[in-house]
Amino acid sequence: SQTIHQWPATLVQPVGSPLSLECTVEGTSNPNLYWYRQAAGRGLQLLFYSVGIGQISSEVPQNLSASRPQDRQFILSSKKLLLSDSGFYLCAMIPLPDYEQYFGPGTRLTVT
Amino acid sequence: AQSVTQPDIHITVSEGASLELRCNYSYGATPYLFWYVQSPGQGLQLLLKYFSGDTLVQGIKGFEAEFKRSQSSFNLRKPSVHWSDAAEYFCAVGGGGSSGDKLTFGTGTRLAVRP
Repeated sequence: SQTIHQWPATLVQPVGSPLSLECTVEGTSNPNLYWYRQAAGRGLQLLFYSVGIGQISSEVPQNLSASRPQDRQFILSSKKLLLSDSGFYLCAMIPLPDYEQYFGPGTRLTVT
Repeated sequence: AQSVTQPDIHITVSEGASLELRCNYSYGATPYLFWYVQSPGQGLQLLLKYFSGDTLVQGIKGFEAEFKRSQSSFNLRKPSVHWSDAAEYFCAVGGGGSSGDKLTFGTGTRLAVRP
């Protein structure tokens, strides 16, 4: 069965510091991968998605970026964090040819 | 553009009572509809989905949802709520495309259960 791992589970970073969140998946090949952010009291905002290695689509312009260096690895990065980057970051995948999205456990990011 | 509206931000029901969570969507073609549940600090778990066919779909944990095209709705129901159902529930809509399909989520409904 498919599994999504996210690392780290919790992160506290100062404003202006860099960020790297990692998402890895198991049990499938060539999945579609997604990064969402969930701010307190709000729904899920799609940040990036990828349909293959090196293919990244950005949904919301911001100071975050994403990369997919391997088929089952999806990384969310920032060079300089802002206070507004705080939130709960969720990685998700669609293991083709399914249409269902499966979510990882999330990373809680607090920018201080 | 696709959108999802969950008009109830918070709902409180007594344990054993019935539950209905509302979801209205806007989508230009035949929608793929989903309900997810999220416990505090956790990821999202898929409860049920509608792609086509029977408009009443059964999911896990005793939940069901009914797709009503004329009302653009996909309401979630459970006949008897358990204390463990307290969580946040998200409705989502997508096109079901196999390449880069994106889901649009509602803002969620937080369910509290009275003992």
